[in-house]
Amino acid sequence: KQEVTQIPAALSVPEGENLVLNCSFTDSAIYNLQWFRQDPGKGLTSLLLIQSSQREQTSGRLNASLDKSSGRSTLYIAASQPGDSATYLCAPGSSNTGKLIFGQGTTLQVKP
Amino acid sequence: DAGVIQSPRHEVTEMGQEVTLRCKPISGHDYLFWYRQTMMRGLELLIYFNNNVPIDDSGMPEDRFSAKMPNASFSTLKIQPSEPRDSAVYFCASSLTTSGGTGELFFGEGSRLTVL
Repeated sequence: KQEVTQIPAALSVPEGENLVLNCSFTDSAIYNLQWFRQDPGKGLTSLLLIQSSQREQTSGRLNASLDKSSGRSTLYIAASQPGDSATYLCAPGSSNTGKLIFGQGTTLQVKP
Repeated sequence: DAGVIQSPRHEVTEMGQEVTLRCKPISGHDYLFWYRQTMMRGLELLIYFNNNVPIDDSGMPEDRFSAKMPNASFSTLKIQPSEPRDSAVYFCASSLTTSGGTGELFFGEGSRLTVL
């Protein structure tokens, strides 16, 4: 059974800092991993999708890496802004079942 | 495309009543997922469909919960009878099969259920 852990659970940083969010998963039989953002009271928005054959994926100030063999992914946010404040969730997709199982998320606050 | 559409956005009901949540996936998507989100348990996968067929319902809490997908553009999640512990935000999401499996997941805005 896939278990997903995200560290830290919460993070507060001043504007402009670079930061790293961590995601670890127990079952490495995945075909991809997705990172999502969730604003309070809203649904989830997909940020990045990394295929299992890829090492990293970039979109603007976001960069996600994947080390499938060690069961780890990181989301790097460069030059953080107050608008980045949200909860970030990762979800590896099982290659056996097609399921996407979510971590508990990291709640980020970027202070002006 | 309008994205994944869920209704109702908010539902307040009394214990014992039947609740029906509805979802319209993105046109052309062949996977549909139902998730439940609470502060205590986070996002839990309840059930998912592929080409309108339920693939895995192991996350459905108990027999009070049922889900159907009568066609490619509509799904329902029903709770009968509802209980206060069912209070949560229920999300529907859809995706399209890629060569590697299910692709990018798109979520609806969710249905916030409160059972009194």
